[in-house]
Amino acid sequence: DIVMTQTPLSSPVTLGQPASISCRSSQSLVHSDGNTYLGWLQQRPGQPPRLLIYKISNRVSGVPDRFSGSGAGTDFTLKISRVEAEDVGVYYCIQSTQFPHTFGQGTKLEIK
Amino acid sequence: EVQLVESGGGLIQPGGSLRLSCEASGFAFSYYWMHWVRQAPGRGLVSVSRLNPDGSHTNYADSVEGRFTISRDNAKNTLYLQMNSLTDEDTAVYYCARGSNDWTGIDYWGQGTLLTVSS
Repeated sequence: DIVMTQTPLSSPVTLGQPASISCRSSQSLVHSDGNTYLGWLQQRPGQPPRLLIYKISNRVSGVPDRFSGSGAGTDFTLKISRVEAEDVGVYYCIQSTQFPHTFGQGTKLEIK
Repeated sequence: EVQLVESGGGLIQPGGSLRLSCEASGFAFSYYWMHWVRQAPGRGLVSVSRLNPDGSHTNYADSVEGRFTISRDNAKNTLYLQMNSLTDEDTAVYYCARGSNDWTGIDYWGQGTLLTVSS
């Protein structure tokens, strides 16, 4: 299975400041079709996960543009340009290049 | 609006069996891959199984292979997960999720149903 490793595991951030989460995969996520199937999920307390970004940098409809994704191969980043109170929760990277789809351990975003 | 509503969770003894259901609405169910993903209390997310639109192709995580069976009834817009030989390590919230047409991953998740395996 592909192992996904996120850093940091906890991120205290001041409101209005940026936040960044890294995700590294144990092998390249480039699929044989040429796409890279790396996504980012948000899980607010007591809620199911919600897809924010897919294929590295494609934002889901309705997701604020303060969220952005980047990266290639085995190294990926989720950035929040200015953290708002509603962004509190746990963020997961997910790879779906190969089954089983695997997730990072999660990064807990909290407000300082 | 896409809706996925799981049911069937509860408390069951080790070695027991249970079937989870997921009723889908708001989209053409028979055209989508469907997934089960679980999350143990306070832990991360783990893929359990997935099923293609016509039900002819399945994938399972090694930890459930041979014990769990995923299936669907497209006429009833319902996804199932039959779970046998349950152990305490199967205790988790089980999420039903829809495979996306924009990528190979998941785009919508249900609210989840809690399975507790305990004597």
